[in-house]
Amino acid sequence: TQLLEQSPQFLSIQEGENLTVYCNSSSVFSSLQWYRQEPGEGPVLLVTVVTGGEVKKLKRLTFQFGDARKDSSLHITAAQPGDTGLYLCAGRRDSNYQLIWGAGTKLIIKP
Amino acid sequence: NAGVMQNPRHLVRRRGQEARLRCSPMKGHSHVYWYRQLPEEGLKFMVYLQKENIIDESGMPKERFSAEFPKEGPSILRIQQVVRGDSAAYFCASSPPESEAYGYTFGSGTRLTVV
Repeated sequence: TQLLEQSPQFLSIQEGENLTVYCNSSSVFSSLQWYRQEPGEGPVLLVTVVTGGEVKKLKRLTFQFGDARKDSSLHITAAQPGDTGLYLCAGRRDSNYQLIWGAGTKLIIKP
Repeated sequence: NAGVMQNPRHLVRRRGQEARLRCSPMKGHSHVYWYRQLPEEGLKFMVYLQKENIIDESGMPKERFSAEFPKEGPSILRIQQVVRGDSAAYFCASSPPESEAYGYTFGSGTRLTVV
């Protein structure tokens, strides 16, 4: 059973379009992180959200943590080919240092 | 410190040989995690170590796999008597001991191919 469900699993869209990917769980997380992984490389941390309802923006990327801290979303505005990659969400429960990982959303932005 | 250093980047082993994967965490990071990733899939947790201690090895097969993080030197993931099914990318990540606001810093991985 996947504690963190990511959707969609795969998304291919044209440059300039907007998109949202989701990370959902029935469990409460004390914090949640989003990573992007490019082919042949390790994941790179994009953002950490800690407070329920928190919204963080990173240029064209907007991250939201659900009020109940069970879910999160990543919205990309005017997607560019450089946004192509595997997007992974990961959550921490209580004071456990370990992260629980989603299976990822593979995003392809076509020029 | 350039970040988490993993070597080798690519490793080819014949069935039955041993594979040793090395990971040097970021300076100041005392927590090390090893993950395995198959093509087009997410990360699968293997083992979590702190200096000289294995904290959680629940994701690591009981046989043929071992990991260590000695007081001095890098963390080592060791796979004995490799089989074709061990072929994968193995990633190491490190984190500091404090604050859940910190994420993991990943290395670039070691791609193991068993022939």
